[in-house]
Amino acid sequence: GESVGLHLPTLSVQEGDNSIINCAYSNSASDYFIWYKQESGKGPQFIIDIRSNMDKRQGQRVTVLLNKTVKHLSLQIAATQPGDSAVYFCAGNARLNSGGSNYKLTFGKGTLLTVNP
Amino acid sequence: DAGVTQSPTHLIKTRGQQVTLRCSPKSGHDTVSWYQQALGQGPQFIFQYYEEEERQRGNFPDRFSGHQFPNYSSELNVNALWLGDSALYLCASSLILYNEQFFGPGTRLTVL
Repeated sequence: GESVGLHLPTLSVQEGDNSIINCAYSNSASDYFIWYKQESGKGPQFIIDIRSNMDKRQGQRVTVLLNKTVKHLSLQIAATQPGDSAVYFCAGNARLNSGGSNYKLTFGKGTLLTVNP
Repeated sequence: DAGVTQSPTHLIKTRGQQVTLRCSPKSGHDTVSWYQQALGQGPQFIFQYYEEEERQRGNFPDRFSGHQFPNYSSELNVNALWLGDSALYLCASSLILYNEQFFGPGTRLTVL
């Protein structure tokens, strides 16, 4: 079945630096891959997603890269700010049933990003 | 526009008891998914409801059941609670045919 995991459990960066959070997946069933940010006491918040047929997508200060050859996903955050401190999860989003239109998320364990002022 | 809301915020139960958690989806959404998030782990899919039916279940026992109402709100019921059921229970809503799920703040369940 689908599983999604992360390379590093923690990442500490200085304010203003760029951050790179990595993720590996073992199954290619996902139609989308999504990055979520989860702050303490809150539910996961959508950051950015990428379709499985793309290799790069950019948002505001964030870029997601997908390498299907090695089944690797990364989230790059430019000019990291203290407000970026949180746990970041990658998730694969796959259809529940073949030909169905409902999606199911499979999350990895998460990376704790700490931004030092 | 209210986002996804969940109640209660926190709950403490003892082993063997039963619990009901509630979720109201984001306005306009028709699909509700439930996830269990143990401390330090990523959320794990429990099941999804659409058109008042359970569409698919993750790897969770029958002690976990749910319901979706005509107004799209949903309940998660857990019977015969174990210590291992202690977790943050997250509800996510979405609109059928769209992949983005919006999460609520969760209900923190502690089983003693």
